[in-house]
Amino acid sequence: EPEVTQTPSHQVTQMGQEVILRCVPISNHLYFYWYRQILGQKVEFLVSFYNNEISEKSEIFDDQFSVERPDGSNFTLKIRSTKLEDSAMYFCASTPTLTSGRNEQFFGPGTRLTVL
Amino acid sequence: DAKTTQPNSMESNEEEPVHLPCNHSTISGTDYIHWYRQLPSQGPEYVIHGLTSNVNNRMASLAIAEDRKSSTLILHRATLRDAAVYYCIPRSYNTDKLIFGTGTRLQVFP
Repeated sequence: EPEVTQTPSHQVTQMGQEVILRCVPISNHLYFYWYRQILGQKVEFLVSFYNNEISEKSEIFDDQFSVERPDGSNFTLKIRSTKLEDSAMYFCASTPTLTSGRNEQFFGPGTRLTVL
Repeated sequence: DAKTTQPNSMESNEEEPVHLPCNHSTISGTDYIHWYRQLPSQGPEYVIHGLTSNVNNRMASLAIAEDRKSSTLILHRATLRDAAVYYCIPRSYNTDKLIFGTGTRLQVFP
């Protein structure tokens, strides 16, 4: 069964460093998402991406964050200058189409980001 | 966005049915009701969704109240693998983001 994959599974970085989290969505999917979950807290929406553009973003997704689909398979989340509070699990998700609130999203296993 | 209320936690014994309730009294008439679950140390996983009629799939059943202000996810025979946090999420037709609440943590005992 096709699945969303994410690398690395765990990333440790120093505060102020740039990190890139990578995701490979399911191959025929067109809509891509990033969510994050701080330890012990809710899963929070960050951004949605379609047709090489951001379609929606949350207040969390500020200028320090960017997303890119550099080729036909990868979808990346970049944090330019990490802060301690960026430590969280980051989940990538994808879906094949948008059908008025009916489509399910397929999530990857997550990347644990630890900022020291 | 519609607010949801779910019990913080529930318990079940293995092979017994589990009914997980969700109140979503502010739901819009066009919102679908989605359920996701998150197993320990994993990403969320889609379970089921519906609009007005009850729905069944291989994982679970979804019973939706006639006034759509509440719904119940039914696991017909709980297994140890069903131990997870279950999220009820009203989905608006005009946005594709998922808004997760705190969900219900289901414990399943052998």
